[in-house]
Parts: sequence; structure tokens; C-alpha cells
Amino acid sequence: QVQLVESGGGVVQPGRSLRVSCAASGFSFSNYGMHWVRQAPGKGLEWVAGIWYDGTNKYYADSVKGRFTISRDNSKNTLYLQMNTLRAEDTAVYYCARVRGGSAVYWGQGTLVTVSS
Amino acid sequence: DIQMTQSPSSLSASVGDRVTITCQASQDITNYLNWYQQKPGKAPKLLIYDASNLETGVPSKFGGSGSGTDFSFTISSLQPEDIATYYCQHYDNLPRFTFGPGTTVDI
Repeated sequence: QVQLVESGGGVVQPGRSLRVSCAASGFSFSNYGMHWVRQAPGKGLEWVAGIWYDGTNKYYADSVKGRFTISRDNSKNTLYLQMNTLRAEDTAVYYCARVRGGSAVYWGQGTLVTVSS
Repeated sequence: DIQMTQSPSSLSASVGDRVTITCQASQDITNYLNWYQQKPGKAPKLLIYDASNLETGVPSKFGGSGSGTDFSFTISSLQPEDIATYYCQHYDNLPRFTFGPGTTVDI
């Protein structure tokens, strides 16, 4: 069955960097686009970034553009989100999701990133 | 940029009630609109895709309709397990996503 497992979250100081990962299993990872969606504590869902199945196209929300980088390693079945110059407002649970067209069909359980001094 | 609004922001209904949530886009999005359910502490779950298509395995008590700028999501007979927050989501051709602010449903 499809499984997405995020890791790498934690507490980080403002201005620092962090990379979160999403390990995929149970499907042919290299055939699917993947996205990151985040949710600040007590708030709604916010789309962060997406990447095509082969990594050739990447796109970002304006709130993270220039600071975050989405990437994937299809040989390792893993999706990444490199987050630089972190701000307090980046504090959130970060979910990875496998997409079908424009729908996020499968989601991981999320990893919490807390930006605090 | 396209903005998505939802109403109401929260509602309280009784078991067995028919519940309707609306979602409005700031411009025509044809049928590029999905609905998700999120229970506390859990990841969202896709219920409806492309405005009116029921995702595989989702009970038929959930439904969606609409096109252009105005959409609705319905639970035909509310049950305790339906307590959750419901989000609409627009997607474009890349695709990039835009989520609505959510509607919390309570009993």
C-alpha cells in the first residue's frame, strides 16, 4: 500500500536552515508528482511547493519562494524540502502528498517544524 | 492570484441533518476544485475531485457540485464520524494549489 513517511522536523532558530524528507513506498515513486503542504498550529492548510514526476519542473508559494527548495531522488524514492532563512511564521506541520492531476490523493502523517529562539 | 473563500467558517448540526458548505473562487476556475476532510491530528483526506467526482472508497453521502466560481459540498446525513474540518482546494495547470480557509463541522 502507498506509504509516505516524513522526517527531519524539529526545533530550529530563526534564520537557520532545515531539510525535511519524505520516504515513499508501495508505488512507483518516479511516476508521480509530489507536493509539500503545511499547517501552522490551529490554522488551515497552506500549499508550499510541488515538483513534477521527473524533477524537471518545480514551483513554489510566494511565501517561500527564494528560501525553500523542493527536490527528489527517484533512485531513493525520497522527496525533500530544503528550508533556508527560516522564520517564526514557517512553524507548521509539513505534509508531503502524492498527486493525481490536481488532487493530493495520498498524504504522509506530517513532521513538525518549530522555528524559535 | 485566485482567492478561495468558504462559508460558513463553522457550523453545528444534528445527527441526520443535511449539511452544505459553499466555496467561492475569485475568478472562473471551471471545475478545478477538490474537497478534503481533516480530522484533528490527522492528515487531510481527499473526498471529492474535479468539483463533483467521488474519490474511490468515499461514502456516497458526500457530494459536490458547481462550476465556474461557485461550488458546494454536501453531507446528506451527518454522522458523529463526520466531525471534521472541510477544505476546498483549487488547482491550476502546473499544478499549484490554493486552499480555502476551511469549515469546521460540529454536532
